[in-house]
Amino acid sequence: DIQMTQSPSSLSASVGDRVTITCRASRTIDTYLNWYQQKPGKAPKLLIFAASTLPSGVPSRFSGSGSGTDFTLTISSLLPEDFATYFCQQSFTDPRTFGQGTKVEIK
Amino acid sequence: EVQLVESGGGLVQPGGSLRLFCEASGLIFSSPWMSWVRQAPGKGLEWVAHIKQDGTEQSYLDSVKGRFTISRDNAKNSLFLQMVSLRVDDTGLYYCARGGSRGLGLDVWGQGTMVTVSS
Repeated sequence: DIQMTQSPSSLSASVGDRVTITCRASRTIDTYLNWYQQKPGKAPKLLIFAASTLPSGVPSRFSGSGSGTDFTLTISSLLPEDFATYFCQQSFTDPRTFGQGTKVEIK
Repeated sequence: EVQLVESGGGLVQPGGSLRLFCEASGLIFSSPWMSWVRQAPGKGLEWVAHIKQDGTEQSYLDSVKGRFTISRDNAKNSLFLQMVSLRVDDTGLYYCARGGSRGLGLDVWGQGTMVTVSS
C-alpha cells in the first residue's frame, strides 16, 4: 500500500497568513493527488484534484502543486472559514489511502 | 442539487452484520464511480471500497476484504455496503461519496451514517 504522510500534523496561524501543508507519498503517484477540507461535524469537501486542479466553486486562495512523491497545499491568505482539518489522498492505485490530516487552528 | 443520503447504521455486536444504504439525487447515478469512506471517532479518513459505474469492478481495503461487499443499483440510484463479521475497529461514521476512478477526487459526500460495533 502507498503510505501518505502529511506535515505538520497541526499548525497555528492567524487570519491573513500564508499557510503551506505538505503531503509525501511512499512511492511515486504521478499527479494523482487530491486534497480535502473537513470542518467539525461536517463531511469532507474536495478542494483540489489531480494535484493542482480546483473544482468549480473552490476559492482561488487555495492552490496545489507537486508530482511524483511530494505535494503541497497552499492557502495564500487565511480566512476565518479556513480553520479546519485538511487531508490528502492518492488516487493512483488501490487502496486509495489518505494522509493522517493537518489541523489548522487559530493562533 | 446533487445529494447523497446514507442510512442503515446502528449499534451491533461484534460478529454481527449491517447493510448500509446511500440514495443519490440530482445526478446521473449510473455515470460515476462510487465510494465508501469511514472515519473512526476523533480520527482521520479511511477509504473502504469503491465500485465502477456498471458494478463490474470493485476494490476494497485489505482489512474489510471478504467481510464487506459494495454494490449498486443504478435503476434505483442507490449504493450499498453489506458488512458481515463486524469488528470493534469497524466502528465509525461511514460516508458515501461520488467518485473513485483514477485521477479524480471524491466530489460529493453524504452526511454519513454511524456504525458502532460493541458488546
